[in-house]
Amino acid sequence: QSVLTQPPSASGTPGQRVTISCSGSSSNIGSNTVNWYQQLPGTAPKLLIYSNNQRPSGVPDRFSGSKSGTSASLAISGLQSEDEADYYCAAWDDSLNAVVFGGGTKLTVL
Amino acid sequence: QLQLQESGPGLVKPSETLSLTCTVSGGSISSSSYYWGWIRQPPGKGLEWIGSIYYSGSTYYNPSLKSRVTISVDTSKNQFSLKLSSVTAADTAVYYCARRWGITIFGVVTPGPGWFDPWGQGTLVTVSS
Repeated sequence: QSVLTQPPSASGTPGQRVTISCSGSSSNIGSNTVNWYQQLPGTAPKLLIYSNNQRPSGVPDRFSGSKSGTSASLAISGLQSEDEADYYCAAWDDSLNAVVFGGGTKLTVL
Repeated sequence: QLQLQESGPGLVKPSETLSLTCTVSGGSISSSSYYWGWIRQPPGKGLEWIGSIYYSGSTYYNPSLKSRVTISVDTSKNQFSLKLSSVTAADTAVYYCARRWGITIFGVVTPGPGWFDPWGQGTLVTVSS
C-alpha cells in the first residue's frame, strides 16, 4: 500500500490530453513539493517534473505538473505513442521522515 | 554529463548481506549541492526509497529499512555503496542509484525534500538459495 495514491492505469488516443492524479496527506503533498518520474518499458525512471511544476531541461512542454492542497496532477497534452510508460509521483513525508512514492500509473496510448 | 553505474552480485542467499556499489562519472561526488541515493523496485511493482548519503558521510534512511541498511561513501573512488543485511525473497528487486537534488541553504543541500536525477540503469538482485 503506497503512501501516495495514483490510479493504476490511464489511457488516451494520440493528440489527446490526459491527466494523472496523485493524492496524499498534510504530511507529504500538503507540506512539501511533488516530483514526477517517467519509466519507459525496461528502463530506469527519469525525472519528468520537479518542485510541483518545473520541467528539467529536455522535457517537452507537453508535460506539466500542478499541486493543490494534498493532491497533485500530471498533465500530458498532445499525447504521443512514445509517452506510453509508467508514471510515478513522489514527495517527502514529514511524519515518516522518508521519500514516499505513489504506486505508479501505467499510461496506454490507444 | 553525469552518469551513475550500479555494480554488485546479482544473486544473494537468504539471511546474507546484499552489497552494491554506485560509481559516479562525469562529476564529483564531493559536491555540497547534492545528496546521493538508493531506490529499489521489486519486479512488476513500484518504487521504494532506501536511503541517501552526503559526501561527508551524513545519511538518512527509510525507517522501514533502517535497521538493516548501511550506506557509505568513498570520495577517493567517487563511489557510494549500499549494504542490506538479513535479506529475504522480499528484497529481490532492481536497485537504482541516483543523484539527489534538494533545497540548498547558502549553497549547501539539505536532507529531506528533493528529487532524483539522473538515475543509474539499475541492477537486478535476486535473493534465493
